[in-house]
Amino acid sequence: DTAVSQTPKYLVTQMGNDKSIKCEQNLGHDTMYWYKQDSKKFLKIMFSYNNKELIINETVPNRFSPKSPDKAHLNLHINSLELGDSAVYFCASSGVWVQSGANVLTFGAGSRLTVL
Amino acid sequence: AQSVAQPEDQVNVAEGNPLTVKCTYSVSGNPYLFWYVQYPNRGLQFLLKYITGDNLVKGSYGFEAEFNKSQTSFHLKKPSALVSDSALYFCAVRALSGSARQLTFGSGTQLTVLP
Repeated sequence: DTAVSQTPKYLVTQMGNDKSIKCEQNLGHDTMYWYKQDSKKFLKIMFSYNNKELIINETVPNRFSPKSPDKAHLNLHINSLELGDSAVYFCASSGVWVQSGANVLTFGAGSRLTVL
Repeated sequence: AQSVAQPEDQVNVAEGNPLTVKCTYSVSGNPYLFWYVQYPNRGLQFLLKYITGDNLVKGSYGFEAEFNKSQTSFHLKKPSALVSDSALYFCAVRALSGSARQLTFGSGTQLTVLP
């Protein structure tokens, strides 16, 4: 059983389109994250949700909208895609927020988005 | 603001030799420190962490790291490298207190172990 699963694994689309990436975790974790890894492999946090509530919202364009229907799911919707959005997007989860300083993140395998 | 520096983009070692991947950090107060490894086309996997206590931390696959508070470093080490250790390694830091609750990653170091 995959602990953190993301779909789709690969996504190729045209500029201006709207797309979504889904993430599900079966670890019973309370906190979920979206990270963006650029072409130079640099990792940057985008969002974090704890029990369906937005906790961290970095300086991400508002074309990106996370949605957490329940604490096991955190989806990422992107409107009006731009060339610069091409990257690998990683979903992750960790345990109880109060103890999150020491908690380990479990990552999904990533979703490679290519915008043409 | 907290930050992590991995000064080497690439580290090459011969199989069987010891390896070191360097990491220094900057954070207000005491840190939580982590190492993660990323194999090609995979997500990051946890290797080890320092929370408190013994400065030498042992982790998965024979890796260890030493926390040095005076040098603000947390270098990753392994006594004898394997070809299968070849991967991208990330150091990360999180502050214990304050609002900087998210994890900040370094830029990554590509480790290549040569047979």
